[in-house]
Amino acid sequence: AQKVTQAQTEISVVEKEDVTLDCVYETRDTTYYLFWYKQPPSGELVFLIRRNSFDEQNEISGRYSWNFQKSTSSFNFTITASQVVDSAVYFCALNQGAQKLVFGQGTRLTINP
Amino acid sequence: DVKVTQSSRYLVKRTGEKVFLECVQDMDHENMFWYRQDPGLGLRLIYFSYDVKMKEKGDIPEGYSVSREKKERFSLILESASTNQTSMYLCASSFGRLGIQPQHFGDGTRLSIL
Repeated sequence: AQKVTQAQTEISVVEKEDVTLDCVYETRDTTYYLFWYKQPPSGELVFLIRRNSFDEQNEISGRYSWNFQKSTSSFNFTITASQVVDSAVYFCALNQGAQKLVFGQGTRLTINP
Repeated sequence: DVKVTQSSRYLVKRTGEKVFLECVQDMDHENMFWYRQDPGLGLRLIYFSYDVKMKEKGDIPEGYSVSREKKERFSLILESASTNQTSMYLCASSFGRLGIQPQHFGDGTRLSIL
Protein backbone atom coordinates (compact mmCIF):
# COMPACT_ATOMS: atom_id res chain seq x y z
CA ALA A 1 0.00 0.00 0.00
CA GLN A 2 1.07 3.55 -0.61
CA LYS A 3 2.47 5.50 2.29
CA VAL A 4 3.92 8.97 2.76
CA THR A 5 6.09 9.89 5.73
CA GLN A 6 6.97 13.41 6.81
CA ALA A 7 9.19 12.76 9.80
CA GLN A 8 9.51 16.42 10.79
CA THR A 9 6.43 17.33 12.80
CA GLU A 10 7.48 20.93 13.45
CA ILE A 11 10.29 23.14 12.24
CA SER A 12 11.09 26.62 13.50
CA VAL A 13 13.67 28.88 11.88
CA VAL A 14 14.57 32.53 11.79
CA GLU A 15 13.60 34.58 8.76
CA LYS A 16 16.03 34.41 5.83
CA GLU A 17 17.29 30.99 6.77
CA ASP A 18 16.98 28.16 4.25
CA VAL A 19 14.81 25.25 5.33
CA THR A 20 14.18 21.78 3.85
CA LEU A 21 11.04 19.74 4.44
CA ASP A 22 11.50 16.01 4.02
CA CYS A 23 9.09 13.60 2.33
CA VAL A 24 9.64 9.87 1.95
CA TYR A 25 7.16 7.67 0.14
CA GLU A 26 6.42 4.01 -0.44
CA THR A 27 4.71 2.59 -3.48
CA ARG A 28 4.81 -0.51 -5.66
CA ASP A 29 3.57 1.36 -8.70
CA THR A 30 6.02 2.19 -11.46
CA THR A 31 3.99 5.20 -12.51
CA TYR A 32 2.96 7.57 -9.79
CA TYR A 33 2.58 11.23 -8.96
CA LEU A 34 3.79 13.24 -5.99
CA PHE A 35 2.38 16.52 -4.75
CA TRP A 36 3.15 19.26 -2.26
CA TYR A 37 0.45 21.40 -0.66
CA LYS A 38 0.65 24.40 1.65
CA GLN A 39 -1.95 25.04 4.36
CA PRO A 40 -1.70 28.59 5.74
CA PRO A 41 -3.49 29.57 8.96
CA SER A 42 -6.63 30.38 6.93
CA GLY A 43 -7.10 26.61 6.46
CA GLU A 44 -7.31 26.11 2.70
CA LEU A 45 -4.78 23.72 1.20
CA VAL A 46 -2.99 25.30 -1.73
CA PHE A 47 -1.43 23.16 -4.45
CA LEU A 48 2.29 23.88 -4.95
CA ILE A 49 3.71 21.27 -7.30
CA ARG A 50 3.14 17.91 -8.97
CA ARG A 51 5.91 15.59 -10.10
CA ASN A 52 5.54 12.32 -12.02
CA SER A 53 7.75 9.30 -11.47
CA PHE A 54 9.43 9.59 -14.86
CA ASP A 55 10.67 13.11 -14.34
CA GLU A 56 13.51 13.33 -11.87
CA GLN A 57 14.53 16.83 -12.81
CA ASN A 58 14.67 19.18 -9.88
CA GLU A 59 12.25 22.06 -10.03
CA ILE A 60 12.76 25.64 -8.94
CA SER A 61 10.06 28.25 -8.60
CA GLY A 62 11.31 31.47 -7.10
CA ARG A 63 12.44 30.71 -3.54
CA TYR A 64 10.96 27.22 -3.69
CA SER A 65 12.76 24.16 -5.00
CA TRP A 66 12.02 20.46 -5.03
CA ASN A 67 14.42 17.54 -5.12
CA PHE A 68 12.98 14.24 -6.35
CA GLN A 69 15.13 11.15 -5.95
CA LYS A 70 13.64 7.79 -6.88
CA SER A 71 16.67 5.94 -5.53
CA THR A 72 15.82 7.07 -2.00
CA SER A 73 12.04 7.44 -2.56
CA SER A 74 12.20 11.04 -1.47
CA PHE A 75 10.63 14.26 -2.67
CA ASN A 76 12.06 17.04 -0.51
CA PHE A 77 11.04 20.69 -0.54
CA THR A 78 13.44 23.56 0.15
CA ILE A 79 12.55 27.16 0.86
CA THR A 80 15.44 29.55 0.33
CA ALA A 81 15.65 32.81 2.27
CA SER A 82 12.49 32.00 4.22
CA GLN A 83 9.92 34.68 5.00
CA VAL A 84 7.28 34.98 7.70
CA VAL A 85 4.59 34.42 5.05
CA ASP A 86 6.00 30.93 4.49
CA SER A 87 4.70 29.91 7.91
CA ALA A 88 2.18 27.14 7.29
CA VAL A 89 1.62 23.42 7.46
CA TYR A 90 3.06 21.65 4.43
CA PHE A 91 1.79 18.32 3.17
CA CYS A 92 3.38 15.86 0.79
CA ALA A 93 1.00 13.49 -1.04
CA LEU A 94 1.14 10.49 -3.38
CA ASN A 95 -1.60 9.33 -5.75
CA GLN A 96 -3.20 6.09 -4.62
CA GLY A 97 -4.63 4.55 -7.74
CA ALA A 98 -7.13 6.51 -9.74
CA GLN A 99 -8.35 9.77 -8.28
CA LYS A 100 -7.23 9.27 -4.68
CA LEU A 101 -4.32 10.80 -2.79
CA VAL A 102 -2.58 9.60 0.35
CA PHE A 103 -1.14 12.40 2.48
CA GLY A 104 1.74 12.57 4.89
CA GLN A 105 1.20 13.77 8.44
CA GLY A 106 2.28 17.31 7.57
CA THR A 107 5.12 19.53 8.79
CA ARG A 108 4.32 22.73 10.65
CA LEU A 109 6.81 25.37 9.60
CA THR A 110 7.21 28.54 11.67
CA ILE A 111 9.34 31.38 10.40
CA ASN A 112 10.25 33.80 13.16
CA PRO A 113 11.04 37.43 12.39
CA ASP B 1 -9.62 29.95 -10.54
CA VAL B 2 -11.30 26.90 -9.11
CA LYS B 3 -13.56 27.69 -6.22
CA VAL B 4 -14.55 25.08 -3.67
CA THR B 5 -16.98 26.44 -1.13
CA GLN B 6 -17.87 24.80 2.15
CA SER B 7 -21.08 25.98 3.75
CA SER B 8 -19.71 26.71 7.23
CA ARG B 9 -16.31 27.61 8.67
CA TYR B 10 -17.34 26.70 12.20
CA LEU B 11 -20.12 24.44 13.40
CA VAL B 12 -21.16 23.28 16.86
CA LYS B 13 -23.54 20.35 17.24
CA ARG B 14 -24.67 18.00 19.97
CA THR B 15 -24.08 14.29 20.36
CA GLY B 16 -26.67 12.26 18.49
CA GLU B 17 -27.63 15.01 16.05
CA LYS B 18 -27.68 14.41 12.30
CA VAL B 19 -25.15 16.79 10.77
CA PHE B 20 -24.85 17.91 7.17
CA LEU B 21 -21.69 19.45 5.72
CA GLU B 22 -22.11 20.91 2.27
CA CYS B 23 -19.53 21.49 -0.44
CA VAL B 24 -19.94 23.14 -3.84
CA GLN B 25 -17.39 23.48 -6.65
CA ASP B 26 -17.72 25.69 -9.70
CA MET B 27 -15.36 24.05 -12.21
CA ASP B 28 -17.39 21.06 -13.42
CA HIS B 29 -14.96 18.63 -11.79
CA GLU B 30 -15.85 14.93 -11.90
CA ASN B 31 -14.24 14.05 -8.60
CA MET B 32 -15.08 15.30 -5.14
CA PHE B 33 -13.63 14.30 -1.80
CA TRP B 34 -14.23 14.61 1.92
CA TYR B 35 -11.31 14.47 4.34
CA ARG B 36 -10.92 14.96 8.02
CA GLN B 37 -7.78 16.53 9.42
CA ASP B 38 -6.54 15.76 12.92
CA PRO B 39 -3.25 16.82 14.54
CA GLY B 40 -0.48 14.32 13.87
CA LEU B 41 -2.62 12.29 11.47
CA GLY B 42 -2.60 14.48 8.38
CA LEU B 43 -5.58 14.25 6.04
CA ARG B 44 -7.58 11.07 6.00
CA LEU B 45 -10.05 10.32 3.24
CA ILE B 46 -13.62 9.65 4.36
CA TYR B 47 -15.45 9.26 1.06
CA PHE B 48 -15.04 10.32 -2.51
CA SER B 49 -17.23 10.52 -5.59
CA TYR B 50 -16.14 10.26 -9.20
CA ASP B 51 -19.52 11.00 -10.75
CA VAL B 52 -23.06 12.03 -9.88
CA LYS B 53 -24.70 9.46 -7.60
CA MET B 54 -21.45 7.49 -7.42
CA LYS B 55 -19.47 7.17 -4.22
CA GLU B 56 -16.64 5.13 -2.81
CA LYS B 57 -15.45 4.62 0.72
CA GLY B 58 -12.17 6.10 1.73
CA ASP B 59 -10.01 5.05 4.63
CA ILE B 60 -12.33 6.04 7.49
CA PRO B 61 -15.99 5.89 6.32
CA GLU B 62 -17.49 4.57 9.56
CA GLY B 63 -20.09 6.90 11.01
CA TYR B 64 -20.38 8.93 7.80
CA SER B 65 -22.38 8.86 4.60
CA VAL B 66 -22.35 11.08 1.52
CA SER B 67 -24.67 12.32 -1.16
CA ARG B 68 -23.96 13.57 -4.65
CA GLU B 69 -27.19 14.38 -6.47
CA LYS B 70 -25.65 17.09 -8.65
CA LYS B 71 -22.18 17.28 -10.13
CA GLU B 72 -21.24 20.47 -8.33
CA ARG B 73 -22.40 19.49 -4.84
CA PHE B 74 -21.10 16.85 -2.44
CA SER B 75 -22.58 16.48 1.02
CA LEU B 76 -21.09 14.74 4.02
CA ILE B 77 -23.57 13.40 6.56
CA LEU B 78 -22.87 12.42 10.13
CA GLU B 79 -25.81 10.14 10.86
CA SER B 80 -25.56 10.40 14.64
CA ALA B 81 -22.77 12.74 15.67
CA SER B 82 -20.34 11.61 18.34
CA THR B 83 -17.62 13.50 20.19
CA ASN B 84 -14.87 11.60 18.35
CA GLN B 85 -16.07 13.24 15.15
CA THR B 86 -14.93 16.63 16.40
CA SER B 87 -12.42 17.61 13.73
CA MET B 88 -11.57 19.81 10.77
CA TYR B 89 -13.36 18.65 7.63
CA LEU B 90 -11.99 19.50 4.21
CA CYS B 91 -13.71 19.16 0.87
CA ALA B 92 -11.79 18.94 -2.41
CA SER B 93 -12.43 18.48 -6.10
CA SER B 94 -10.41 17.46 -9.14
CA PHE B 95 -10.94 16.53 -12.76
CA GLY B 96 -9.84 13.44 -14.64
CA ARG B 97 -9.78 9.75 -13.82
CA LEU B 98 -6.10 8.99 -13.39
CA GLY B 99 -5.29 10.61 -10.07
CA ILE B 100 -2.74 12.88 -11.68
CA GLN B 101 -4.54 16.18 -11.41
CA PRO B 102 -4.15 18.28 -8.28
CA GLN B 103 -7.06 18.50 -5.90
CA HIS B 104 -8.50 21.90 -5.07
CA PHE B 105 -9.60 22.44 -1.50
CA GLY B 106 -12.18 24.48 0.34
CA ASP B 107 -11.42 26.50 3.47
CA GLY B 108 -12.53 23.71 5.78
CA THR B 109 -15.25 23.34 8.40
CA ARG B 110 -14.19 23.11 12.02
CA LEU B 111 -16.84 20.90 13.60
CA SER B 112 -17.26 20.53 17.34
CA ILE B 113 -19.54 17.87 18.76
CA LEU B 114 -20.54 18.53 22.37
